[in-house]
Amino acid sequence: GAGVSQSPSNKVTEKGKDVELRCDPISGHTALYWYRQSLGQGLEFLIYFQGNSAPDKSGLPSDRFSAERTGGSVSTLTIQRTQQEDSAVYLCASSSTLINTGELFFGEGSRLTVL
Amino acid sequence: AQSVAQPEDQVNVAEGNPLTVKCTYSVSGNPYLFWYVQYPNRGLQFLLKYITGDNLVKGSYGFEAEFNKSQTSFHLKKPSALVSDSALYFCAVKNQAGTALIFGKGTTLSVSS
Repeated sequence: GAGVSQSPSNKVTEKGKDVELRCDPISGHTALYWYRQSLGQGLEFLIYFQGNSAPDKSGLPSDRFSAERTGGSVSTLTIQRTQQEDSAVYLCASSSTLINTGELFFGEGSRLTVL
Repeated sequence: AQSVAQPEDQVNVAEGNPLTVKCTYSVSGNPYLFWYVQYPNRGLQFLLKYITGDNLVKGSYGFEAEFNKSQTSFHLKKPSALVSDSALYFCAVKNQAGTALIFGKGTTLSVSS
């Protein structure tokens, strides 16, 4: 499709398990972002990839969180040893231009529930 | 550090009335400001942005926003609200590193018929 695609749309896991969330950005977009949306917390920036540059990981909340982007396209966000506070909607976005002049195109998110 | 604040968790408006969703910002340097909207069970969509120039910015779906430097505000407005405008609205500012947007906590707009 033409938009940002995320999978799975819903994931229920048990505390302590690892999860992987996938994002397919819009073709040709060089910038990719992960955000977390929690009830009452708004959108929390997690990580940013731009082309072949080193990612900005400043928003990752703990070392249980990691992300990679292979071949400058698909990205995977991995959460190890999940905790109940990790329950949230994880949003991926991509952009074709630098953030200050462009707009972000968001996927519909992956809703993670940790029991 | 760059930040935005949305002082209202919810705004209620009657259809046909003007609406305002408030946003204030705190930045170092010139602000790059954005509004996004999230309809129920949908992803976030870009509405409009202020980079430089005219303080009144026009965007999608008849929305506009007014940049006010002295009040450090970037309020979202629409002259006549529609029931279909009911959604969650986020104000955002570019972070200092220029790598991402910092979002507010969001304001739920409810337009009644």
